[in-house]
Amino acid sequence: QVQLVQSGAEVKKPGASVKVSCKASGYTFTGYYLHWVRQAPGQGLEWMGRINPDSGGTHYAQRFQGRVTMTRDTSIGTAYMELSRLRSDDSVVYFCARGDDILSGYSDAFEIWGQGTVVTVSS
Amino acid sequence: DIQMTQSPSSLSASVGDRVTITCRASQSISDYLNWYQQKPGKAPKLLIHAPSSLQSGVPSRFSASGSGTDFTLTISSLQPEDFATYSCQQTFSTPYTFGQGTKLEIK
Repeated sequence: QVQLVQSGAEVKKPGASVKVSCKASGYTFTGYYLHWVRQAPGQGLEWMGRINPDSGGTHYAQRFQGRVTMTRDTSIGTAYMELSRLRSDDSVVYFCARGDDILSGYSDAFEIWGQGTVVTVSS
Repeated sequence: DIQMTQSPSSLSASVGDRVTITCRASQSISDYLNWYQQKPGKAPKLLIHAPSSLQSGVPSRFSASGSGTDFTLTISSLQPEDFATYSCQQTFSTPYTFGQGTKLEIK
């Protein structure tokens, strides 16, 4: 079955970095964009960026530029999102989500989601 | 960035009601508008993907319309499992942006 499984909850100190993984199964990992979205408690969804798992090309939201790095390991079908210089307002849930077929997609809607990873930033 | 504004922010309705949620973009996004349903503690679920197409497995009581800047999501006859938060998303241009969400509650 098509699914994305994320790594577990993290607790980090301010200024540290966190790396969240997202393992894909049930489909061709390199055939679909992989996005990262975050959500603060009781708040809306915020798109952080996306990676093309085939080429490794990335596109980040400007507000995360310089702090976020998205990578992938095609040998194990896993994408990663690393966020550095953590602040207290980075204490949110992070989701990975599968977007469109890279070659023939239209809407880039997020059809498949990971279960979410809670990151807590606290001294 | 394209701003997405949903209304209302919250809505109380009864089982069997017809409800409509609107989403307005700060500039034209053609038909690149998707709708999601989210329940507490869960990941969002895709309901409608551009252009106004029902995602496989989603009940036909859900429908969407609109283009340009104004969009609507309609639930024709609310069921108990429909009480959730609904969010629109534009994928016309990056950064992809979401509406703030509409919380649909039981009256």
